Amino acid sequence: DTAVSQTPKYLVTQMGNDKSIKCEQNLGHDTMYWYKQDSKKFLKIMFSYNNKELIINETVPNRFSPKSPDKAHLNLHINSLELGDSAVYFCASSQGWARTEAFFGQGTRLTVV
Amino acid sequence: QQPVQSPQAVILREGEDAVINCSSSKALYSVHWYRQKHGEAPVFLMILLKGGEQKGHDKISASFNEKKQQSSLYLTASQLSYSGTYFCGTDANTGNQFYFGTGTSLTVIP
Repeated sequence: DTAVSQTPKYLVTQMGNDKSIKCEQNLGHDTMYWYKQDSKKFLKIMFSYNNKELIINETVPNRFSPKSPDKAHLNLHINSLELGDSAVYFCASSQGWARTEAFFGQGTRLTVV
Repeated sequence: QQPVQSPQAVILREGEDAVINCSSSKALYSVHWYRQKHGEAPVFLMILLKGGEQKGHDKISASFNEKKQQSSLYLTASQLSYSGTYFCGTDANTGNQFYFGTGTSLTVIP
């Protein structure tokens, strides 16, 4: 039983398109996150949701929007994709914000061509 | 804001020891350590919540010097399975600020 699952695993798309990445966790956690890992392997937090409220919104372009229909899901929608958006995007969840172990999904490799 | 890790990369022979350091410019509430193998997701190793606390996990342990805003990860008698990129994550005292460090690539060779 996968704890944190995200789909798709790979996503190749053209510049200018809009795409979504879905994330679901079955751990009963109250906090979920989106991270971006670039080609240099830096892991940057993009968003986190705690009890369906956004509590971190780092300085990411507003083309990126998180959507949380319920506590177990945090989807990432990206508008007008650019070449620089190519990266691996990880979803994660934890119980409480950043004070306990975070479980990561397997990642979505997004390639914008 | 992003904590700095050193060294950037290290190569060890099986059985050797290594230390990875993590340094923050902000006062810290906690430090997390994760390991990421190539092509996989980061996996949690440990959290240190109190200043001066040292935690162990098999032959991997860590310390947290709250005063110096630093943490160190100690890997003893390294095994091939220890290879990967190690990240510290720091949670600052002020507000919801969590950042992963710059990463340390560790390669263990036979």
